[in-house]
Amino acid sequence: QQPVQSPQAVILREGEDAVINCSSSKALYSVHWYRQKHGEAPVFLMILLKGGEQKGHEKISASFNEKKQQSSLYLTASQLSYSGTYFCGTPRGSQGNLIFGKGTKLSVKP
Amino acid sequence: GAVVSQHPSRVICKSGTSVKIECRSLDFQATTMFWYRQFPKQSLMLMATSNEGSKATYEQGVEKDKFLINHASLTLSTLTVTSAHPEDSSFYICSAMARTSGNEQFFGPGTRLTVL
Repeated sequence: QQPVQSPQAVILREGEDAVINCSSSKALYSVHWYRQKHGEAPVFLMILLKGGEQKGHEKISASFNEKKQQSSLYLTASQLSYSGTYFCGTPRGSQGNLIFGKGTKLSVKP
Repeated sequence: GAVVSQHPSRVICKSGTSVKIECRSLDFQATTMFWYRQFPKQSLMLMATSNEGSKATYEQGVEKDKFLINHASLTLSTLTVTSAHPEDSSFYICSAMARTSGNEQFFGPGTRLTVL
């Protein structure tokens, strides 16, 4: 079951904040977040392994609510370099394969 | 660390020919690698899971005989698109799974295949 991401797209000015949500109809055991720039491969941002876990990387952080079966990615004081499409991935099966959401396109303008 | 390379980055071929794409984990061993296909402005679609020393596991709807996968070593997996047709034109991306508690996947830079 493909996770659902929202919003589909967001436009920000430099310095503004954004939240990207990822939810699943099935129980989640981990959530992986990636950012992909146009024409490039996705870049690993972070993984959240258990309910309630929060992680941060520079000004990008994420939370994982196991009960609500969702994760949120927080981008604070956005920079131009944050532009790209953000994907969340959830595990399917025991081999570690991920099912990705449709992505959220983030555009940061000067 | 956790660098994955993919070669070639771009390839243009004639219809009916075969194309081989290599995926290498440069600084770690990956018993499991994945092959994805991505159409413009769409998400990553998992094609197959490649395990070192065993047959690949293909996703439903992916033709095994058309997309041949070989995982010959702990650092190399190859995808061969056989008898390519224009509809096979796409962005193919591999990822290698690190042996960590979270099974993080690290992606290669992708291969843009254009079949004329």
